[in-house]
Amino acid sequence: QQQVRQSPQSLTVWEGETAILNCSYEDSTFDYFPWYWQFPRESPALLIAIRPVSNKKEDGRFTIFFNKREKKLSLHITDSQPGDSATYFCAANPPASSGSWQLIFGSGTQLTVMP
Amino acid sequence: DPKIIQKPKYLVAVTGSEKILICEQYLGHNAMYWYRQSAKKPLEFMFSYSYQKLMDNQTASSRFQPQSSKKNHLDLQITALKPDDSATYFCASSQDPFSNERLFFGHGTKLSVL
Repeated sequence: QQQVRQSPQSLTVWEGETAILNCSYEDSTFDYFPWYWQFPRESPALLIAIRPVSNKKEDGRFTIFFNKREKKLSLHITDSQPGDSATYFCAANPPASSGSWQLIFGSGTQLTVMP
Repeated sequence: DPKIIQKPKYLVAVTGSEKILICEQYLGHNAMYWYRQSAKKPLEFMFSYSYQKLMDNQTASSRFQPQSSKKNHLDLQITALKPDDSATYFCASSQDPFSNERLFFGHGTKLSVL
């Protein structure tokens, strides 16, 4: 059972448009949701993250919108640039009390920004 | 300079053989992890270690054995290799296991099993 789901699998937008990447999760006890991005032939790196106490987190052109009731979140990239082309992974962190010490990653959304 | 060093970068092995993937981190972190990335299961968690002790193991097969000789080392021994083991293996670290949401990844070892 996949605990973190992402959609779409791939997304193409034009430069300047807003890209919207979706994520949903199963376990309501997850308490931290980071997004990682990965460029081709590179390792994943933390982009932005949110905790359930907030419903929005903004960092420049990147914004996470969080809906705790529906167990959904989305990453909005405004004014998309070709340099944003990468695979974006949504992840979820179980609480420490669960005894689990892993970040659970979704399957990723491959974003292509056309110039 | 890379702060998490993985060796080798590429590795080709034959079915049934044994290999060791090396990982050293120079971030002063106390927790280290192994993740596997393949076309079938992107970024799949394998192990977590804290202060050289195993914290979590989500690998079903005992063919995968982590080895920690020093606090900043976490190697991965894989025995009886199978073609399905072909993947990129990422080592990662965090300040401590309680802050595992901020992971720093190495550049990975791409393993191909023929």
